[in-house]
Amino acid sequence: AQSVTQLDSQVPVFEEAPVELRCNYSSSVSVYLFWYVQYPNQGLQLLLKYLSGSTLVKGINGFEAEFNKSQTSFHLRKPSVHISDTAEYFCAVSEMDSSYKLIFGSGTRLLVRP
Amino acid sequence: EAQVTQNPRYLITVTGKKLTVTCSQNMNHEYMSWYRQDPGLGLRQIYYSMNVEVTDKGDVPEGYKVSRKEKRNFPLILESPSPNQTSLYFCASSLIGGLSTDTQYFGPGTRLTVL
Repeated sequence: AQSVTQLDSQVPVFEEAPVELRCNYSSSVSVYLFWYVQYPNQGLQLLLKYLSGSTLVKGINGFEAEFNKSQTSFHLRKPSVHISDTAEYFCAVSEMDSSYKLIFGSGTRLLVRP
Repeated sequence: EAQVTQNPRYLITVTGKKLTVTCSQNMNHEYMSWYRQDPGLGLRQIYYSMNVEVTDKGDVPEGYKVSRKEKRNFPLILESPSPNQTSLYFCASSLIGGLSTDTQYFGPGTRLTVL
């Protein structure tokens, strides 16, 4: 069965510093990978997704993620964060043979400090 | 404006009192889904619907019911709520069930407390 692990429950970082949010997945088949962001008191929004092709995926708000098949990882990065990036970030995976089912990780709270 | 709406946004109820959380989307999406979000567990899928009159269980369906009589609406029904159903609930929709081409759009959430 597929699963998603986000090892860091909270990541504090200073404004304008780089950040990496880690995501590892487990699946016996090929997968699609997603990052969602949840701002306080809001629903989730899609940041970016990996379907196929280039392993480096660029998303909204300056975020990018790299798919590493050998390490089964899909880490999210941003070179310089802003206060407004403070939110909870969820990694999710969907297996290619059952693409209607989305499995989420437990989330990482990014706290950007001035 | 394209959106997914949920009502109510906040609800406090007591054990055993039937309740319904409504979900509606105005994007003519075929696929709709309900999730619950609990601290440390992320989002877990309760039920989903591929189209009108087609529903199926997700990972945590116990204690919940759904119906899909119209394309735009996908209500979540708790026939006899219990305290372990206290959670934050999200409804989501996408054009079709194939996530390779679709983005899931989420509602604002419903915070439910069962006493």
